[in-house]
Amino acid sequence: KAGVTQTPRYLIKTRGQQVTLSCSPISGHRSVSWYQQTPGQGLQFLFEYFSETQRNKGNFPGRFSGRQFSNSRSEMNVSTLELGDSALYLCASSSRSGGNEKLFFGSGTQLSVL
Amino acid sequence: DAKTTQPPSMDCAEGRAANLPCNHSTISGNEYVYWYRQIHSQGPQYIIHGLKNNETNEMASLIITEDRKSSTLILPHATLRDTAVYYCIVRVAGGGGSQGNLIFGKGTKLSVKP
Repeated sequence: KAGVTQTPRYLIKTRGQQVTLSCSPISGHRSVSWYQQTPGQGLQFLFEYFSETQRNKGNFPGRFSGRQFSNSRSEMNVSTLELGDSALYLCASSSRSGGNEKLFFGSGTQLSVL
Repeated sequence: DAKTTQPPSMDCAEGRAANLPCNHSTISGNEYVYWYRQIHSQGPQYIIHGLKNNETNEMASLIITEDRKSSTLILPHATLRDTAVYYCIVRVAGGGGSQGNLIFGKGTKLSVKP
C-alpha cells in the first residue's frame, strides 16, 4: 500500500502570495489532518477533515484553510503569506475518525517564504 | 500545551535497550498514550499506543504505570537507525466523530551511539 503522499516536497514563495499544498492519504483512509512544524513552536495541529467535513481546528488564523474531496484527498491553502509561515507542513491520515487510531504521516512540504 | 513531560535528550549504546520515560500526570481515564518518532526531514512515524495495559509490537514495548501517570517506551535492541526525536503524546479524545488532534511536546532526542 502506498503511504501518505504530499506534493510538492519543497516550495518557495514571497510574502503576500498564496500557496496550496496537496495531500493524498493512504488508500481507504477517510480522515486527514494537517500539522505545521517550525523550530520554535514544534508540531502544531492545524485542522482535521473526515468525509469532506472539517471536524476539528487548531488555533491558527483564518489565512489557513483546507478542504477535502470526495476521494479523501485534501488540500490546504495559506493566503497572504508571511515570513513566519515558513515551516514544514505535514499531513496525516487514518482509517476512521475516533480516539484510538494510528495516524500515518507523509514526508511533508517544506515551505519557505521570502 | 502538551500534557506530557519528557527529558530533552538521551544517549544509548547500540545493541542495548533504550528506555524513554514520559510523565503524564493529568491524563484522563479515556485518553490513550501514543508514541511517535521523527527522523530528521521525515514525517513522524507511529510506534505504539496504549490505554492502561502494557503493549508490545515489533518495534517496541510500552509500559504504563498502574496509576497511568507515567509510561516508558522500550526499544529492546537499539540500532543507529533508531536515532530520532521521540514524542510521547496523550491523545485528546475528539467529539462529534473527530479523531482528536495530537498535541506534540518537544520530545526526547535519542542518540544511539556505536
